[in-house]
Amino acid sequence: QVQLVQSGAEVKKPGASVKVSCKASGYTFTGYYMHWVRQAPGQGLEWMGWINPNSGGTNYAQKFQGRVTMTRDTSISTAYMELSRLRSDDTAVYYCARDLIPAIAAAGTGYWGQGTLVTVSS
Amino acid sequence: QSALTQPASVSGSPGQSITISCTGTSSDVGGYNYVSWYQQHPGKAPKLMIYEVSNRPSGVSNRFSGSKSGNTASLTISGLQAEDEADYYCSSYTSSSHVVFGGGTKLTVL
Repeated sequence: QVQLVQSGAEVKKPGASVKVSCKASGYTFTGYYMHWVRQAPGQGLEWMGWINPNSGGTNYAQKFQGRVTMTRDTSISTAYMELSRLRSDDTAVYYCARDLIPAIAAAGTGYWGQGTLVTVSS
Repeated sequence: QSALTQPASVSGSPGQSITISCTGTSSDVGGYNYVSWYQQHPGKAPKLMIYEVSNRPSGVSNRFSGSKSGNTASLTISGLQAEDEADYYCSSYTSSSHVVFGGGTKLTVL
């Protein structure tokens, strides 16, 4: 069965960077786009971007351009999201989420990781 | 890219039907049949309920249905049950090859 297992909670200081991993299993990793979505405490869902694990191509939300980098390691079926120059309002749960339909970046994310809480505090 | 517009809250009694709207523009909801709906219970990851406007993933109850007219998509839940109480989010593909979410709707089952 499809599983997305994310790395554990992180506490970072303002200005630092964080790198969250998402290990996939149960399907062909390179066949499906992977999205990253975050949710600040008590707030709604916010799309950050996607990566095509086959080509490595990425597309980031305007808000995160220049601060976010999404990569993947196909040898271990793992996607990564690195966010730099952290601020207190980056405190959120960060999710990886896989598209439901192969080779399409927008059909809907049918599989989600368990979430990784990133806390930014001095 | 502005968030899609959803009502902040809706409510209904068990057995009733409710509809949640999701309004965007011709650059997102109105321009593509890539509207999705998610259900999120407190402390849990979102769950995909509807994809491509009106398709249900395997395992999702047929009490959930989706539709679209112009720039507005809708999620209808029929035969409301207590376990349907949750937050619901719509999302859409956009002309920038991005994804945009709605602000979320809190469903209360009275």
